[in-house]
Amino acid sequence: SQTIHQWPATLVQPVGSPLSLECTVEGTSNPNLYWYRQAAGRGLQLLFYSVGIGQISSEVPQNLSASRPQDRQFILSSKKLLLSDSGFYLCAWSGDSPESSYNEQFFGPGTRLTVL
Amino acid sequence: AQKVTQAQTEISVVEKEDVTLDCVYETRDTTYYLFWYKQPPSGELVFLIRRNSFDEQNEISGRYSWNFQKSTSSFNFTITASQVVDSAVYFCALRWRGGSYIPTFGRGTSLIVHP
Repeated sequence: SQTIHQWPATLVQPVGSPLSLECTVEGTSNPNLYWYRQAAGRGLQLLFYSVGIGQISSEVPQNLSASRPQDRQFILSSKKLLLSDSGFYLCAWSGDSPESSYNEQFFGPGTRLTVL
Repeated sequence: AQKVTQAQTEISVVEKEDVTLDCVYETRDTTYYLFWYKQPPSGELVFLIRRNSFDEQNEISGRYSWNFQKSTSSFNFTITASQVVDSAVYFCALRWRGGSYIPTFGRGTSLIVHP
């Protein structure tokens, strides 16, 4: 069966510090991978998605970046955190198929980031 | 353009009541997929159901049921005999065929079930 891991679970960082959040998927190959942020309130904001190694699409320009160094690894980074980067970060994967839109997403447990 | 509207921001019920969460969608495509997810207080979104646009059969899974009506562009979710463990935020989402890997999510409905 497939599982998705995220770490760390919680993080408190000062403004201006760097960030690295990691997400890994097990039990599947060539997944589509996604990073979402959930700020105050409930809305899900898509930050990045990836359909393959080294292929990253950015949905929202900001001081965050993403990388996919391996097939099942997705990393969210920042060189200098802002207060507005606080939030709940969720990684998700979906299957890769000819009808990719068919596939539901499976989410990781999330990382709660507080920037002080 | 795609759009998902969950007009109910928050619903509060007492245990054992039935509750329906509304989801209205907009899309120009004839082939699309609808989803419901549950986000309990722990934070992780849990996939509940997928429906494609060609299948209007209602679905029942235990106390959960889904009513898909293309005529009204709605995909409503009913919990029968609600329980405290049903307290969560519920999201409806839409994906369209044609190469889009990105679902459109509604803003979610917070369900609070009181004992």
